[in-house]
Amino acid sequence: DTGVSQDPRHKITKRGQNVTFRCDPISEHNRLYWYRQTLGQGPEFLTYFQNEAQLEKSRLLSDRFSAERPKGSFSTLEIQRTEQGDSAMYLCASSSGQPLETQYFGPGTRLLVL
Amino acid sequence: GENVEQHPSTLSVQEGDSAVIKCTYSDSASNYFPWYKQELGKRPQLIIDIRSNVGEKKDQRIAVTLNKTAKHFSLHITETQPEDSAVYFCAGGATGDYKLSFGAGTTVTVRA
Repeated sequence: DTGVSQDPRHKITKRGQNVTFRCDPISEHNRLYWYRQTLGQGPEFLTYFQNEAQLEKSRLLSDRFSAERPKGSFSTLEIQRTEQGDSAMYLCASSSGQPLETQYFGPGTRLLVL
Repeated sequence: GENVEQHPSTLSVQEGDSAVIKCTYSDSASNYFPWYKQELGKRPQLIIDIRSNVGEKKDQRIAVTLNKTAKHFSLHITETQPEDSAVYFCAGGATGDYKLSFGAGTTVTVRA
């Protein structure tokens, strides 16, 4: 499968624990995005990387959230001191070329905070 | 920032009938409007997109129209089939802004 992959697919954690998610974009895609999707809603933008540079962060991304893309390939999203309100599907997408080229989504990581 | 509103939230159609989903956007700078289909438990997948230099685009049974003056765009599915049942999301984006702003989604059910 040469599409966007994410790991893990599901994560259950207790409130206050830290979690880390990984996203592997389509090979050679230089743009990578993180979105959060809650039940009954569309994806909401969290942050965006062009190569290894994090160019934009949403106000939704509190200081408990951090994202990295150290070598411009895979990316990690870490949530520290998780809260029940963090329960959601975390989607990664990647694209290439000009801005607003098609964003291809991964299968997502579903997080449940107990 | 961009605000995209989508209607209706649910849509039930008889197999073979047409389905229409409408979206409005707020940012006049938006110039890219993709539509994604998300089946239960699966990733969103692009089904069609339109850019502001065209007013309509068709791909087999799917068409999208864009009215920049009114800031709205619509998805039309003709001759619906059971496999068209899914949640459909519209989105908007602007050159230089990179991110997409999504509508809340429309759950389409095609009745056999």
